[in-house]
Amino acid sequence: QQQVKQSPQSLIVQKGGISIINCAYENTAFDYFPWYQQFPGKGPALLIAIRPDVSEKKEGRFTISFNKSAKQFSLHIMDSQPGDSATYFCAASWGAQKLVFGQGTRLTINP
Amino acid sequence: DAMVIQNPRYQVTQFGKPVTLSCSQTLNHNVMYWYQQKSSQAPKLLFHYYDKDFNNEADTPDNFQSRRPNTSFCFLDIRSPGLGDAAMYLCATSDGGKASGGSNEQFFGPGTRLTVL
Repeated sequence: QQQVKQSPQSLIVQKGGISIINCAYENTAFDYFPWYQQFPGKGPALLIAIRPDVSEKKEGRFTISFNKSAKQFSLHIMDSQPGDSATYFCAASWGAQKLVFGQGTRLTINP
Repeated sequence: DAMVIQNPRYQVTQFGKPVTLSCSQTLNHNVMYWYQQKSSQAPKLLFHYYDKDFNNEADTPDNFQSRRPNTSFCFLDIRSPGLGDAAMYLCATSDGGKASGGSNEQFFGPGTRLTVL
Protein backbone atom coordinates (compact mmCIF):
# COMPACT_ATOMS: atom_id res chain seq x y z
CA GLN A 1 0.00 0.00 0.00
CA GLN A 2 3.04 2.23 0.34
CA GLN A 3 4.08 1.80 -3.28
CA VAL A 4 3.89 4.32 -6.05
CA LYS A 5 3.92 2.67 -9.46
CA GLN A 6 5.38 4.65 -12.33
CA SER A 7 5.23 4.06 -16.07
CA PRO A 8 6.71 3.90 -18.58
CA GLN A 9 10.22 2.92 -17.55
CA SER A 10 11.63 4.73 -20.57
CA LEU A 11 10.18 7.14 -23.10
CA ILE A 12 11.41 8.60 -26.35
CA VAL A 13 9.68 11.71 -27.71
CA GLN A 14 10.42 13.90 -30.67
CA LYS A 15 11.33 17.53 -30.09
CA GLY A 16 8.18 19.61 -29.81
CA GLY A 17 6.04 16.66 -28.80
CA ILE A 18 4.21 15.96 -25.55
CA SER A 19 5.84 13.71 -22.96
CA ILE A 20 3.48 11.93 -20.58
CA ILE A 21 4.52 9.96 -17.51
CA ASN A 22 2.00 8.23 -15.28
CA CYS A 23 1.92 7.24 -11.63
CA ALA A 24 -0.56 5.31 -9.52
CA TYR A 25 -0.82 4.92 -5.78
CA GLU A 26 -2.87 2.96 -3.27
CA ASN A 27 -2.57 4.85 0.01
CA THR A 28 -5.44 7.33 0.18
CA ALA A 29 -3.69 9.12 3.03
CA PHE A 30 -1.14 10.58 0.61
CA ASP A 31 -1.63 14.34 0.39
CA TYR A 32 1.42 15.60 -1.46
CA PHE A 33 2.55 14.49 -4.91
CA PRO A 34 5.82 15.92 -6.25
CA TRP A 35 7.72 15.25 -9.44
CA TYR A 36 11.50 15.30 -9.39
CA GLN A 37 13.81 15.74 -12.37
CA GLN A 38 17.28 14.22 -12.24
CA PHE A 39 20.12 14.71 -14.69
CA PRO A 40 23.02 12.22 -14.83
CA GLY A 41 25.44 12.73 -11.96
CA LYS A 42 23.16 15.23 -10.21
CA GLY A 43 20.75 15.10 -7.32
CA PRO A 44 16.99 15.12 -7.97
CA ALA A 45 15.42 18.59 -8.21
CA LEU A 46 11.80 19.36 -7.45
CA LEU A 47 10.02 20.14 -10.70
CA ILE A 48 6.39 20.60 -9.72
CA ALA A 49 4.06 19.31 -7.01
CA ILE A 50 0.34 19.04 -6.38
CA ARG A 51 -2.07 18.43 -3.54
CA PRO A 52 -5.22 16.34 -3.95
CA ASP A 53 -7.58 19.29 -3.58
CA VAL A 54 -6.87 20.36 -7.18
CA SER A 55 -7.08 18.35 -10.39
CA GLU A 56 -4.41 20.15 -12.36
CA LYS A 57 -1.40 22.35 -11.81
CA LYS A 58 0.59 24.03 -14.53
CA GLU A 59 4.01 25.64 -14.37
CA GLY A 60 5.32 26.72 -17.74
CA ARG A 61 5.54 23.69 -20.01
CA PHE A 62 5.00 21.27 -17.12
CA THR A 63 1.54 20.17 -15.99
CA ILE A 64 0.44 17.70 -13.32
CA SER A 65 -2.95 16.09 -13.84
CA PHE A 66 -4.44 14.49 -10.73
CA ASN A 67 -7.32 12.01 -10.60
CA LYS A 68 -8.22 11.40 -6.97
CA SER A 69 -10.90 8.80 -7.62
CA ALA A 70 -8.59 6.75 -9.82
CA LYS A 71 -5.62 7.33 -7.50
CA GLN A 72 -3.49 8.37 -10.43
CA PHE A 73 -1.45 11.39 -11.36
CA SER A 74 0.60 12.24 -14.40
CA LEU A 75 3.22 14.66 -15.64
CA HIS A 76 2.79 16.28 -19.03
CA ILE A 77 5.69 18.09 -20.67
CA MET A 78 4.49 20.24 -23.54
CA ASP A 79 6.75 21.23 -26.43
CA SER A 80 9.41 18.80 -25.19
CA GLN A 81 12.99 19.95 -25.72
CA PRO A 82 16.30 18.04 -25.82
CA GLY A 83 17.20 19.76 -22.52
CA ASP A 84 14.28 17.95 -20.90
CA SER A 85 16.08 14.64 -21.40
CA ALA A 86 16.49 13.33 -17.85
CA THR A 87 15.09 10.81 -15.42
CA TYR A 88 11.79 11.77 -13.82
CA PHE A 89 10.54 10.42 -10.50
CA CYS A 90 7.06 10.80 -9.13
CA ALA A 91 6.63 10.58 -5.38
CA ALA A 92 4.01 10.80 -2.68
CA SER A 93 3.86 11.52 1.02
CA TRP A 94 1.35 12.29 3.77
CA GLY A 95 1.61 14.92 6.45
CA ALA A 96 5.31 15.57 6.85
CA GLN A 97 6.26 11.96 6.41
CA LYS A 98 8.97 10.59 4.18
CA LEU A 99 8.58 10.44 0.43
CA VAL A 100 7.67 7.26 -1.41
CA PHE A 101 9.27 7.34 -4.87
CA GLY A 102 8.13 5.77 -8.09
CA GLN A 103 10.60 3.66 -10.05
CA GLY A 104 11.61 6.46 -12.42
CA THR A 105 11.23 7.18 -16.15
CA ARG A 106 14.17 7.84 -18.40
CA LEU A 107 13.00 10.45 -20.90
CA THR A 108 14.87 11.06 -24.14
CA ILE A 109 13.90 13.93 -26.43
CA ASN A 110 15.17 13.44 -29.96
CA PRO A 111 16.17 16.64 -31.80
CA ASP B 1 22.08 30.96 -2.32
CA ALA B 2 20.68 28.63 0.30
CA MET B 3 21.52 25.10 -0.62
CA VAL B 4 22.50 21.56 0.30
CA ILE B 5 26.21 20.87 -0.09
CA GLN B 6 27.83 17.46 -0.22
CA ASN B 7 31.49 16.67 0.05
CA PRO B 8 33.31 15.11 -1.55
CA ARG B 9 31.52 14.83 -4.89
CA TYR B 10 33.51 11.70 -5.71
CA GLN B 11 34.97 9.27 -3.21
CA VAL B 12 37.03 6.19 -3.92
CA THR B 13 37.67 3.75 -1.12
CA GLN B 14 38.97 0.25 -0.74
CA PHE B 15 36.92 -2.75 0.22
CA GLY B 16 36.51 -2.70 4.00
CA LYS B 17 38.08 0.73 4.54
CA PRO B 18 35.80 3.08 6.52
CA VAL B 19 34.57 6.15 4.72
CA THR B 20 32.67 9.27 5.79
CA LEU B 21 30.52 11.42 3.55
CA SER B 22 29.41 14.86 4.65
CA CYS B 23 26.41 17.06 4.05
CA SER B 24 25.80 20.64 5.07
CA GLN B 25 22.83 22.92 4.55
CA THR B 26 22.14 26.62 4.72
CA LEU B 27 18.36 26.20 4.60
CA ASN B 28 18.06 25.85 8.39
CA HIS B 29 15.82 22.83 7.85
CA ASN B 30 15.18 20.60 10.82
CA VAL B 31 14.99 17.35 8.86
CA MET B 32 17.95 15.78 7.07
CA TYR B 33 17.87 12.58 5.02
CA TRP B 34 20.41 10.19 3.57
CA TYR B 35 19.53 8.22 0.46
CA GLN B 36 21.40 5.59 -1.51
CA GLN B 37 20.81 5.59 -5.25
CA LYS B 38 22.10 2.89 -7.54
CA SER B 39 22.16 3.12 -11.30
CA SER B 40 18.72 3.34 -12.92
CA GLN B 41 16.95 3.10 -9.57
CA ALA B 42 14.98 5.45 -7.38
CA PRO B 43 16.63 6.91 -4.29
CA LYS B 44 16.39 4.53 -1.33
CA LEU B 45 16.03 6.13 2.09
CA LEU B 46 18.64 4.93 4.58
CA PHE B 47 17.72 7.09 7.57
CA HIS B 48 16.75 10.59 8.57
CA TYR B 49 17.05 13.00 11.45
CA TYR B 50 14.08 14.97 12.69
CA ASP B 51 15.99 17.58 14.66
CA LYS B 52 18.23 15.36 16.80
CA ASP B 53 15.96 12.33 16.64
CA PHE B 54 17.48 9.59 14.51
CA ASN B 55 15.12 7.44 12.43
CA ASN B 56 16.58 4.35 10.85
CA GLU B 57 14.86 2.47 8.04
CA ALA B 58 14.20 -1.15 8.90
CA ASP B 59 16.23 -2.51 6.00
CA THR B 60 19.28 -0.25 6.37
CA PRO B 61 22.35 -2.43 7.08
CA ASP B 62 24.22 -1.88 10.35
CA ASN B 63 27.23 -1.03 8.21
CA PHE B 64 25.68 2.40 7.68
CA GLN B 65 25.74 4.91 10.50
CA SER B 66 25.00 8.60 10.75
CA ARG B 67 25.83 11.58 12.92
CA ARG B 68 24.25 15.00 13.13
CA PRO B 69 26.36 17.23 15.38
CA ASN B 70 24.26 20.33 14.71
CA THR B 71 21.41 21.62 12.54
CA SER B 72 23.65 22.37 9.58
CA PHE B 73 25.74 19.22 9.28
CA CYS B 74 25.06 15.54 8.86
CA PHE B 75 27.51 12.70 8.19
CA LEU B 76 27.15 9.25 6.68
CA ASP B 77 29.66 6.69 7.91
CA ILE B 78 30.13 3.41 6.11
CA ARG B 79 32.08 1.23 8.50
CA SER B 80 33.21 -1.53 6.13
CA PRO B 81 32.27 -0.75 2.54
CA GLY B 82 31.56 -3.67 0.29
CA LEU B 83 31.39 -3.76 -3.48
CA GLY B 84 27.61 -3.60 -3.23
CA ASP B 85 27.81 -0.24 -1.48
CA ALA B 86 29.11 1.50 -4.57
CA ALA B 87 26.41 4.03 -5.38
CA MET B 88 25.43 7.68 -5.38
CA TYR B 89 24.69 8.92 -1.88
CA LEU B 90 22.24 11.77 -1.68
CA CYS B 91 21.58 14.11 1.20
CA ALA B 92 18.28 15.96 1.37
CA THR B 93 16.61 18.37 3.75
CA SER B 94 13.09 19.51 4.51
CA ASP B 95 11.40 21.80 6.99
CA GLY B 96 9.33 18.92 8.33
CA GLY B 97 6.16 20.45 7.00
CA LYS B 98 6.31 23.46 9.30
CA ALA B 99 6.53 26.15 6.64
CA SER B 100 5.09 24.15 3.79
CA GLY B 101 1.70 23.39 5.27
CA GLY B 102 2.33 19.73 5.88
CA SER B 103 4.10 18.84 2.65
CA ASN B 104 7.41 17.10 2.66
CA GLU B 105 9.21 19.11 0.01
CA GLN B 106 12.74 17.84 0.03
CA PHE B 107 15.77 19.65 -1.30
CA PHE B 108 18.54 17.39 -2.54
CA GLY B 109 22.25 17.93 -2.68
CA PRO B 110 24.32 17.03 -5.75
CA GLY B 111 25.31 13.67 -4.30
CA THR B 112 28.57 11.86 -3.61
CA ARG B 113 29.52 9.11 -6.05
CA LEU B 114 31.17 6.31 -4.03
CA THR B 115 33.43 3.81 -5.75
CA VAL B 116 34.63 0.73 -3.84
CA LEU B 117 37.72 -1.01 -5.19
